[in-house]
Amino acid sequence: NAGVMQNPRHLVRRRGQEARLRCSPMKGHSHVYWYRQLPEEGLKFMVYLQKENIIDESGMPKERFSAEFPKEGPSILRIQQVVRGDSAAYFCASSQGPSGNNEKLFFGSGTQLSVL
Amino acid sequence: AQSVTQPDIHITVSEGASLELRCNYSYGATPYLFWYVQSPGQGLQLLLKYFSGDTLVQGIKGFEAEFKRSQSSFNLRKPSVHWSDAAEYFCAVAAPGAGSYQLTFGKGTKLSVIP
Repeated sequence: NAGVMQNPRHLVRRRGQEARLRCSPMKGHSHVYWYRQLPEEGLKFMVYLQKENIIDESGMPKERFSAEFPKEGPSILRIQQVVRGDSAAYFCASSQGPSGNNEKLFFGSGTQLSVL
Repeated sequence: AQSVTQPDIHITVSEGASLELRCNYSYGATPYLFWYVQSPGQGLQLLLKYFSGDTLVQGIKGFEAEFKRSQSSFNLRKPSVHWSDAAEYFCAVAAPGAGSYQLTFGKGTKLSVIP
């Protein structure tokens, strides 16, 4: 049973370009969470999605960032018009049920985004 | 809002020596507490968690952690370190209840093990 898969592992973009980060949750998991780790910082929550629904996006920057988790396919974190401050490691996690019910989160190995 | 402090950025221990990684948190009540480990190129793996009850928690790979309310601490310990324990360790907290997916992580402690 494969774990949480994220791709690409490394993504390089120039300022103004778009970045698309993908996350395939563990088999049987329908809850996905995105976290961001800025340099010299701990991971911070961004958004929580269930299939086709955004449950909590309180940690998402108000502009340029969006996330989706379609009925079919991986969850996508999209960053439009990237800036140098977007350079960070982006981690995805998944759970079988809502995490508040003592469900364990399983994390992927992250995507390192570098903005030139 | 909750916060987590891991005072040690980098720790080096000899194989076979004991280990203690420090974690202090700030939260108005008793939070959910977690320790995760990240090996190079791998995702974060849950070592152990504390929700309530016995304040000494046993985890995987021989790790344990003790919740001390009076010190707002949740330190991770292992009596004898193995070379394969070299990794980065993250302490995290979450508010109990439905929003407990909103983990707040410390900046991590990198552990190096000398053979």
